[in-house]
Amino acid sequence: DAGITQSPRYKITETGRQVTLMCHQTWSHSYMFWYRQDLGHGLRLIYYSAAADITDKGEVPDGYVVSRSKTENFPLTLESATRSQTSVYFCASSDLNQPQHFGDGTRLSIL
Amino acid sequence: GQNIDQPTEMTATEGAIVQINCTYQTSGFNGLFWYQQHAGEAPTFLSYNVLDGLEEKGRFSSFLSRSKGYSYLLLKELQMKDSASYLCAVRPDQTGANNLFFGTGTRLTVIP
Repeated sequence: DAGITQSPRYKITETGRQVTLMCHQTWSHSYMFWYRQDLGHGLRLIYYSAAADITDKGEVPDGYVVSRSKTENFPLTLESATRSQTSVYFCASSDLNQPQHFGDGTRLSIL
Repeated sequence: GQNIDQPTEMTATEGAIVQINCTYQTSGFNGLFWYQQHAGEAPTFLSYNVLDGLEEKGRFSSFLSRSKGYSYLLLKELQMKDSASYLCAVRPDQTGANNLFFGTGTRLTVIP
């Protein structure tokens, strides 16, 4: 079944560690997005990508790195995790001027 | 900056009608989206407005007034399964990248 999948679904790590969240979509959508969702803030855009090898910062990019070597994959890396990055992370994809479709999310806890 | 406001919580009775409002002040405008999000799940797309007026989709309708920076989501014949958060999101045209800015969401509780 075509769709967008995120892995892992749950992750616990320690401050200072590097962690990578994976996102894979089978729709061949041009655009991909990473959001974090925190109580009181709603969904906030971290990074987005308009196509392979094209990425740009969103509202809250500090402490995160992304890459997009293939259209279908858009991994998000926390290079040195901090407690403030404890959150639920959602990946989404869309074509231009179309609704974004979200993955099931990754619940990340940083101790 | 982008500012999107919606009520934090609402409660309504099964079978009734509820209206969830959203007001926005953004650097540009190229569409307004409504998403539904059940607790612990991903947001799912409900509706989209880019022109003024009402868009109807089954029990759900969404209205937009661009001059007032205002939208609402109307849910009819409420069912228990409609208990969820409803997210209003605006696509400002300046970004040119299909980006959305979200409100903090309205948590709707449907009671018997």
